[in-house]
Amino acid sequence: QVQLVESGGGVVQPGRSLRLSCAASGVNFSSYSMHWVRQAPGKGLEWVSVILYDGSKKNYVDSVKGRFTISRDNSKNTLFLQMNSLRVEDTSIYYCARAWENGMDVWGQGTPVTVSS
Amino acid sequence: DIQVTQSPSSLSASVGDRVTITCRATQDIDVWLAWYQQKPGKAPNLLIYRASNLGSGVPSRFSGSRSGTEFTLTISNLQPDDFGTYYCLQYNRFSWTFGQGTKVEIK
Repeated sequence: QVQLVESGGGVVQPGRSLRLSCAASGVNFSSYSMHWVRQAPGKGLEWVSVILYDGSKKNYVDSVKGRFTISRDNSKNTLFLQMNSLRVEDTSIYYCARAWENGMDVWGQGTPVTVSS
Repeated sequence: DIQVTQSPSSLSASVGDRVTITCRATQDIDVWLAWYQQKPGKAPNLLIYRASNLGSGVPSRFSGSRSGTEFTLTISNLQPDDFGTYYCLQYNRFSWTFGQGTKVEIK
């Protein structure tokens, strides 16, 4: 079955960088657009970024524009999120999710990111 | 940007009750709204897509409807396993926004 597994989360100081990965299996990865969604501790879900199936179009929530970059390697069935200039308010669990019917149908288990000095 | 307002923020209901949760978009988003259930410590699970279509494997007691820019998730015959937080997700012009969430407690 379709499985998404995130990795790369951790504890990082404000202003530093982190790169998240999302490995897909059991799916024709190159046929699907992909999302990143985050959830701060005790808070609701926040859409972060999307990338088209072929990487040709991307979008971001305003709060991460210019700091985060989404990318993908279809040859390795992997989605990435490069996070630069991290802020305390970026502390969240980060989920990758498969795009479907202008929503998301399959989600990973999430990887935690803590930004703290 | 389109905003979505979800209500109520929480509710408590008994097994067998009918529960409704509403999301209202600030502009026309056609049918592009989905509903998710999230349990503590878990990733969200798709319940309804395109406003009224039941997700794969989702029990038929869940249903979605649309009236203009107002969308409703209905849980008929509430079950003990239906606890958790419910979110709507709207799509418009290559941008997405989640509702604020509704925490459902079983009495």
